[in-house]
Amino acid sequence: KAGVTQTPRYLIKTRGQQVTLSCSPISGHRSVSWYQQTPGQGLQFLFEYFSETQRNKGNFPGRFSGRQFSNSRSEMNVSTLELGDSALYLCASSSLVTGRGNTEAFFGQGTRLTVV
Amino acid sequence: TQLLEQSPQFLSIQEGENLTVYCNSSSVFSSLQWYRQEPGEGPVLLVTVVTGGEVKKLKRLTFQFGDARKDSSLHITAAQPGDTGLSLCAADPTGNQFYFGTGTSLTVIP
Repeated sequence: KAGVTQTPRYLIKTRGQQVTLSCSPISGHRSVSWYQQTPGQGLQFLFEYFSETQRNKGNFPGRFSGRQFSNSRSEMNVSTLELGDSALYLCASSSLVTGRGNTEAFFGQGTRLTVV
Repeated sequence: TQLLEQSPQFLSIQEGENLTVYCNSSSVFSSLQWYRQEPGEGPVLLVTVVTGGEVKKLKRLTFQFGDARKDSSLHITAAQPGDTGLSLCAADPTGNQFYFGTGTSLTVIP
């Protein structure tokens, strides 16, 4: 079974630009979660999508948005990039189902975004 | 307020030493996961503990779930430089969202 694929692996953008990152989950998984991780830090939750609907959102500004397609692939977009957006962006695929916890998350390798 | 608190936050030890990291919460979980993340890579699932008091072993790693299912520990025997990375505990209590601990950054010095 193929794992979680994130593209691109590395990205360099200029302040003020926008960026789109992609995540293809494990086949059969309908939940995709996105996280931001800065050096030496834990995982900061961005948002989670299930069956094309955003179910949960973390405490990030509106410049951070996402969407999920009918095939469960997900994209996240960051507009008007700031230097502080430089981070490793991770997506996690799971079989999360409301009311039935105890699932496990499977991560992609991440996209390393550098804003200059 | 963080649902899962990990300690210590940073740990630097010599190769061959033993260590224990902790994951604590005031909430009760029916299961809890441990992940390990190498620098620049995504976290990798190591183990899921589901029963209070459960002990699971994975080579030099020993995971324990507290009797009350509010806390867990990871013990590493004879640490190696390859153990360097971030250890994360996580739980999914409702099926809506994963909650990750604050993480323990481990450095093993050769």
